[in-house]
Amino acid sequence: AQSVTQPDIHITVSEGASLELRCNYSYGATPYLFWYVQSPGQGLQLLLKYFSGDTLVQGIKGFEAEFKRSQSSFNLRKPSVHWSDAAEYFCAVGAWSGGSNYKLTFGKGTLLTVNP
Amino acid sequence: EPEVTQTPSHQVTQMGQEVILRCVPISNHLYFYWYRQILGQKVEFLVSFYNNEISEKSEIFDDQFSVERPDGSNFTLKIRSTKLEDSAMYFCASERDYEQYFGPGTRLTVT
Repeated sequence: AQSVTQPDIHITVSEGASLELRCNYSYGATPYLFWYVQSPGQGLQLLLKYFSGDTLVQGIKGFEAEFKRSQSSFNLRKPSVHWSDAAEYFCAVGAWSGGSNYKLTFGKGTLLTVNP
Repeated sequence: EPEVTQTPSHQVTQMGQEVILRCVPISNHLYFYWYRQILGQKVEFLVSFYNNEISEKSEIFDDQFSVERPDGSNFTLKIRSTKLEDSAMYFCASERDYEQYFGPGTRLTVT
């Protein structure tokens, strides 16, 4: 069965600093990979996805992520963080079980705090 | 931009009562899901639904849970007899081309 590990429960950065959120996955094949963001009281918003092809993918709000097959990782990055980026970030794997049943498996999330 | 909507945003119920959580998926999507997030824990899969039947359900989704799409637009999750441990945020998602779009969630509090 697939699994997702987000090693950092809470990260604090200063506004304008760069950001990298880590995500490692376990799955028998190349999965579909996603990053979602959840602001307080809000639902999950899709930031970006990787299905195949170019391993560096761009998303909304200036985020990007890089798929590294050798490390089973899909880390999220942003070169300059804004105060409005403070939220919880979830990495997810989209994978199949039982042949055709598809679902997302989420990591535990990383809470991002941005200091002024 | 189309979005998934959920009602109510917050539901408080007493243990043993039935609750129905409602979702309106994005109109041209074919696959629908319910996930839940217990406070402080990860988002976890409950059930997937396609072509008016359950595709897959997790071990959490026992006989107390049911889903239906009664009218071609709404997608509902029913918990027949709520327990304290059902307290969680419940998210509906609809999917197209393996991208899942989530609603804002219903916070269920069982007292």
